[in-house]
Amino acid sequence: EVQLLESGGTLVQPGGSLRLSCAASGFTFSDYAMSWVRQAPGKGLEWVSGISGSGISTNYAGSLERRFTISRDNSRNMVYLQMNNLRAEDTAVYYCAKDLIRGGSHPDYFHYWGQGTLVTVSS
Amino acid sequence: ETVLTQSPAILSLSPGESATLSCRASQDIRTYLAWYQQKPGQAPRLLISDASNRAAGIPARFSGSGSGTEFTLTISSLEPEDFAVYYCQQRYNWPPWTFGQGTKVEIK
Repeated sequence: EVQLLESGGTLVQPGGSLRLSCAASGFTFSDYAMSWVRQAPGKGLEWVSGISGSGISTNYAGSLERRFTISRDNSRNMVYLQMNNLRAEDTAVYYCAKDLIRGGSHPDYFHYWGQGTLVTVSS
Repeated sequence: ETVLTQSPAILSLSPGESATLSCRASQDIRTYLAWYQQKPGQAPRLLISDASNRAAGIPARFSGSGSGTEFTLTISSLEPEDFAVYYCQQRYNWPPWTFGQGTKVEIK
């Protein structure tokens, strides 16, 4: 059974930093690209960042202005999102999502999702 | 960036009725479109990929169609558990991978 468990969300002040983690199990982790997708309170879904199965290729939403960095540790079945210079508009539930298609070098469709971790940016 | 526009924003229907949800892309995305269902307090669930392929375990009452810029999700006979928000998402023009703003299917 595929499981994705996010952690690391908390209340942080504007300008602060935070690292989110996602622990994956139930599938061959290195075979799949992974993404972070966020959802602001009462709003829709927004893709944030994705990383290939090997970790070599990464992609980001342009609106992030290079404040976020995605990475993965295939030896630990973990994916991370380092978030710097956080702003109020980054307040959201952050979901970790596994790709549908095996072997892709970039995200495609989001087959499995974690339950999300809430990041609140406020003073 | 490919913008996905969903309509209507809210669909008010009764159980047993059929639901038709629309997703329009700002540019040709061939058939590289997915549909997701999200219930309150839950993560989204993949329903349909590549415009018309049901994901594993998804009931046959869910069907998708379309290509190019016009797509439709049809729920043939609404069950009580189908009342939720539905999102479309494209994977053809990237980055970014974009979602529509959602259609809420509510009980009339």
